Amino acid sequence: QVQLQESGPGLVKPSETVSLTCAVSGYSISSGYYWGWIRQPPGKGLECIGSFYHSGTTYYNPSLKSRATISVDTSKNQFSLKLSSVTAADTAVYYCARALAGPPRAFDYWGQGTLVTVSS
Amino acid sequence: QSALTQPASVSGSPGQSITISCTGASSDVGGYNYVSWYQQHPGKAPRLMIYDVSNRPSGVSNRFSGSKSGNTASLTISGLQAEDEADYYCSSYTSSTTVVFGGGTKLTVL
Repeated sequence: QVQLQESGPGLVKPSETVSLTCAVSGYSISSGYYWGWIRQPPGKGLECIGSFYHSGTTYYNPSLKSRATISVDTSKNQFSLKLSSVTAADTAVYYCARALAGPPRAFDYWGQGTLVTVSS
Repeated sequence: QSALTQPASVSGSPGQSITISCTGASSDVGGYNYVSWYQQHPGKAPRLMIYDVSNRPSGVSNRFSGSKSGNTASLTISGLQAEDEADYYCSSYTSSTTVVFGGGTKLTVL
């Protein structure tokens, strides 16, 4: 069974960079599929941040591209998200998920999410 | 990229059928057969219910079905049950090689 587990700081100050990690078990990231990050502000809808393939191909939401960086550590079977210059608008539950093979078009396995609050 | 348009809420009685619409553009919904639907209960992660317009992942009830016409996709839930009460989100692959979600629809089972 594929399982994903997010981890992060919980609270970050405005203008700082937040770093989140997603640990994957039950499936090797290197074996295929896309892997991505999605966020959900409190009481609001979902927003895809971006996704990557283990070969290095990475796609980002154009509205976040300049601030988001997704990286992978295949030796630990985990991947990460760095989001720079955060503001209160970046307060959200951040989910990591596996995307179906082919273009990264649907997420079939999700972590339980980690809340990131941006506040001074 | 703009979020896909969904009704804010829909409701139905147990046993009835409901349909949730999801309207996009030719650069997303209308341009690809890559529409998905997710169910989200309060405090939980989303669950994939439909992918590629009308395909159900293993374990999803056949009471859930999807379709698409032009720039609008639809999710139909037949034989409504109390446990179907949740938020539902559509999504689509886009010409920007990313995924855009709808604003979400709250389903109330009366």
